[in-house]
Amino acid sequence: KQEVTQIPAALSVPEGENLVLNCSFTDSAIYNLQWFRQDPGKGLTSLLLIQSSQREQTSGRLNASLDKSSGRSTLYIAASQPGDSATYLCAVNTGFQKLVFGTGTRLLVSP
Amino acid sequence: DADVTQTPRNRITKTGKRIMLECSQTKGHDRMYWYRQDPGLGLRLIYYSFDVKDINKGEISDGYSVSRQAQAKFSLSLESAIPNQTALYFCATSDLGKETQYFGPGTRLLVL
Repeated sequence: KQEVTQIPAALSVPEGENLVLNCSFTDSAIYNLQWFRQDPGKGLTSLLLIQSSQREQTSGRLNASLDKSSGRSTLYIAASQPGDSATYLCAVNTGFQKLVFGTGTRLLVSP
Repeated sequence: DADVTQTPRNRITKTGKRIMLECSQTKGHDRMYWYRQDPGLGLRLIYYSFDVKDINKGEISDGYSVSRQAQAKFSLSLESAIPNQTALYFCATSDLGKETQYFGPGTRLLVL
């Protein structure tokens, strides 16, 4: 059974810092991996999707990497801002669009 | 207007009651999903539907049923609610051939 773990569970940083969020999964047979952002009272917003054949994806200040063989992905956020405060979730697609989610990293960026 | 809407946004009910959570989408997507989120457990898939005539069980379907009334509507029912079904419920959609899922704002359910 696929299991997805995210470390750390919570992170607090001052504005302007670069930071890395980690995601690990137990079964490397995945189709893709997605990073989502969750804000209180709102649904999840997809940030980046990395196909299993890709090594990384970039969108603005966000960069996600994937090492399928080792079961790891990282989300790098450059020059963090208070507006980046949210919970970040990673999810692996195990086939037929079935996503297995991690428990998330709660990020607080202080002004 | 939001592309994926869920009603109600908050619901308090009692053990044994039947309740229905509704999801509507204007994205024109064929695929729809129901998840629940519990603290410390992440989101887990309850049911999913790839078109109006296709319904599939997810990881935790026991105690739940669904109805796909139309391409745009997917309802989740709790036939006899129990306290451990207290959770945040999300509906999501995706387009055929595209993997990104789009989520509604969630329904917070409390079963007393």
